[in-house]
Amino acid sequence: EAGVVQSPRYKIIEKKQPVAFWCNPISGHNTLYWYLQNLGQGPELLIRYENEEAVDDSQLPKDRFSAERLKGVDSTLKIQPAELGDSAVYLCASSLAVAGTGELFFGEGSRLTVL
Amino acid sequence: RKEVEQDPGPFNVPEGATVAFNCTYSNSASQSFFWYRQDCRKEPKLLMSVYSSGNEDGRFTAQLNRASQYISLLIRDSKLSDSATYLCVVSTGRRALTFGSGTRLQVQP
Repeated sequence: EAGVVQSPRYKIIEKKQPVAFWCNPISGHNTLYWYLQNLGQGPELLIRYENEEAVDDSQLPKDRFSAERLKGVDSTLKIQPAELGDSAVYLCASSLAVAGTGELFFGEGSRLTVL
Repeated sequence: RKEVEQDPGPFNVPEGATVAFNCTYSNSASQSFFWYRQDCRKEPKLLMSVYSSGNEDGRFTAQLNRASQYISLLIRDSKLSDSATYLCVVSTGRRALTFGSGTRLQVQP
């Protein structure tokens, strides 16, 4: 069975440019998460979807970040415009049910470098 | 104060050693607890859940102390392949998991 698929794996852009990341969760997983991970830190939640509904986006910087999961399957995270401080790994994860089980399955991540 | 705090390490131990990591959490309403493992430049993966009564999985033992709000992970007979970052993870009801910054373990030959 395929795991969580993310693309691109690596992206280098100049500041003020837009960037988008795509995630396809494990088939049948209703809950999808976007996390941000800085070097030497743990993942930090940006947004959580249950099906197509964003149920927790309190940590998403909405002035420049947006996300969508239109059909309740794959998802896109966008940054516009990117800033130097956005350089990080963007991790997508999915789970069968709501977070409490602990069984989050992560993709390999999209590593963003903003110059 | 961070919700989940861990000693970043690194813990440098020889093969065969026993090593323990602790983690503290600030939200007394936390209900679920886990350890995740993250290899260098890889994604985090669930290592084990942590139950109130303590639980063991092979060489790994996890304990929870709700009164003091800390979680521990004990690794016995360390292997080179245990070298990784260990992330302490906490969940409060229906909220998404909150990760600590991780403790780095380096097992040396």
